[in-house]
Amino acid sequence: AQSVTQLDSQVPVFEEAPVELRCNYSSSVSVYLFWYVQYPNQGLQLLLKYLSGSTLVKGINGFEAEFNKSQTSFHLRKPSVHISDTAEYFCAVTYRGGKLIFGQGTELSVKP
Amino acid sequence: DTGVSQNPRHKITKRGQNVTFRCDPISEHNRLYWYRQTLGQGPEFLTYFQNEAQLEKSRLLSDRFSAERPKGSFSTLEIQRTEQGDSAMYLCASSATGTGLDTQYFGPGTRLTVL
Repeated sequence: AQSVTQLDSQVPVFEEAPVELRCNYSSSVSVYLFWYVQYPNQGLQLLLKYLSGSTLVKGINGFEAEFNKSQTSFHLRKPSVHISDTAEYFCAVTYRGGKLIFGQGTELSVKP
Repeated sequence: DTGVSQNPRHKITKRGQNVTFRCDPISEHNRLYWYRQTLGQGPEFLTYFQNEAQLEKSRLLSDRFSAERPKGSFSTLEIQRTEQGDSAMYLCASSATGTGLDTQYFGPGTRLTVL
């Protein structure tokens, strides 16, 4: 069975600092991986996705993630965060489409 | 591209009442998904349709829940005899198959409060 673990429930960081949000998944088969962002009282917006190919994936708003098959990880990074990046971030996995399995989320709080 | 829309955005009801939510997917998308999100948690899958066929239902979807997509376009999610534990954000997503992967795009959600 597929599962996703987001290792940090809250990540406080100062503006312009780098940030990494960690995500590990478990699956016995090949999967596709996603990061979504959720602003308060809104739906989920796709940040980036890994399907195949290059293990470094670039997304919107300056975010990127690296797929590491041996460590079953898909960590999200940004070299310099802004106040506007304050939101909840969700890592998700799916096996060749179909339902998404989400982690519990990481609350990123960017302080001035 | 108007995106996925959901109505209503907020619903307050009393325990025991029935409620119905509507989701309008992106027009060319043939798959439609329902998820439930409670406070502080990630979304949990409820069910999904490909065109008008309901292909999978979660064990979370008790017999009080029913979803339909009668013409393969919009979908409705009905909860009968609501309970306080049903209070949550109900999210709808849609995707298009045929490209090898269906990337899901989410609507703004319907927040249900059961008093």
